[in-house]
Amino acid sequence: DTAVSQTPKYLVTQMGNDKSIKCEQNLGHDTMYWYKQDSKKFLKIMFSYNNKELIINETVPNRFSPKSPDKAHLNLHINSLELGDSAVYFCASSPGDRVNIQYFGAGTRLSVL
Amino acid sequence: GENVEQHPSTLSVQEGDSAVIKCTYSDSASNYFPWYKQELGKRPQLIIDIRSNVGEKKDQRIAVTLNKTAKHFSLHITETQPEDSAVYFCAASNAPPYNTDKLIFGTGTRLQVFP
Repeated sequence: DTAVSQTPKYLVTQMGNDKSIKCEQNLGHDTMYWYKQDSKKFLKIMFSYNNKELIINETVPNRFSPKSPDKAHLNLHINSLELGDSAVYFCASSPGDRVNIQYFGAGTRLSVL
Repeated sequence: GENVEQHPSTLSVQEGDSAVIKCTYSDSASNYFPWYKQELGKRPQLIIDIRSNVGEKKDQRIAVTLNKTAKHFSLHITETQPEDSAVYFCAASNAPPYNTDKLIFGTGTRLQVFP
């Protein structure tokens, strides 16, 4: 019954590989987000989708490509992984109807070796 | 764009004391200010929020105050307990239209409550 679920929880990979992180929410929310939390705990928004449409795209390398097959899913694909991509990636969702409350997934800890 | 500053970066208090964390924001159009608590290895979770038409909001031991003129908002935790130990994040955003809803987070405050 987890509201926002992400898989995998941990991801260890070599530099140069391509990997994906999946996110699903069962709250019926219209808006979903990806955040990156670095080793200093800074939380920074990367992307936001509303009803499958990209609405926020921060200054993120184009090696990162979000995909939203439907409004309940927002996946993150990362090409050519670099050491600096190591972080915890959080997915979040919000109702999107003037209610800004965001519900976060448990996070995916990505380690690039 | 919006910039949110948060102080202090670390805060240690004795159990039972109060803790105050302060944030300032730069965009006068921001009108929604949530606070999130993140325990070690866990997800950020909303603990309280305030909108710009309100100056203060309380929920049991936690309260948030907002000074729109000065662009300051603060989190107050009274009668702190060891389980309050966590990293606390403030954030600011515009509310409607919802499709520009972007939370800008502060840099976090690590609160330690000693028994």
